[in-house]
Amino acid sequence: EDQVTQSPEALRLQEGESSSLNCSYTVSGLRGLFWYRQDPGKGPEFLFTLYSAGEEKEKERLKATLTKKESFLHITAPKPEDSATYLCALAGGGGADGLTFGKGTHLIIQP
Amino acid sequence: DTGVSQDPRHKITKRGQNVTFRCDPISEHNRLYWYRQTLGQGPEFLTYFQNEAQLEKSRLLSDRFSAERPKGSFSTLEIQRTEQGDSAMYLCASSFFGQETQYFGPGTRLLVL
Repeated sequence: EDQVTQSPEALRLQEGESSSLNCSYTVSGLRGLFWYRQDPGKGPEFLFTLYSAGEEKEKERLKATLTKKESFLHITAPKPEDSATYLCALAGGGGADGLTFGKGTHLIIQP
Repeated sequence: DTGVSQDPRHKITKRGQNVTFRCDPISEHNRLYWYRQTLGQGPEFLTYFQNEAQLEKSRLLSDRFSAERPKGSFSTLEIQRTEQGDSAMYLCASSFFGQETQYFGPGTRLLVL
């Protein structure tokens, strides 16, 4: 069974203080690993898709990386508007087409 | 591209009533997914369609839940005889067949009293 574990559950940073969010996973045949951002009361907003170990993608202050066992979302010099819950999800090769999500990391950036 | 839309955005109902939600996917996306999300948890997969065919159902989808996508465009999710445990955010997502990335709508928040 595919599993996704995110850590930490919550993270409070000062504006400009860089950090990383972790997503550990187990899967039988990874078809894709995804990062989403979710604001309170809204649907998840797509950020990145990673397909294979060693792959990296960047968007503004965010950078996602992937190894065979985990993915990291690096946040460089964050701003208060980066405050949100960040969700990690995967599509496995077991035949199921629904995504398996972690519980998310609730990130707060204080000015 | 107007994104995935869902209607209604909020629904309050009494236990035992039936409710129906609608999802309009991104135009030309032939795959459509339904998820449920409770407070503090990530979304959980319920079911998905490729065109009008319902190809997979999660064991979370009890007999009281039914989903349709009659013409391969919009989809409806109906919950019969609602229970308080059905209170959650119901999310719809869509994608192109052959592309793994799913794009989510704003969700419908259901409260069962």
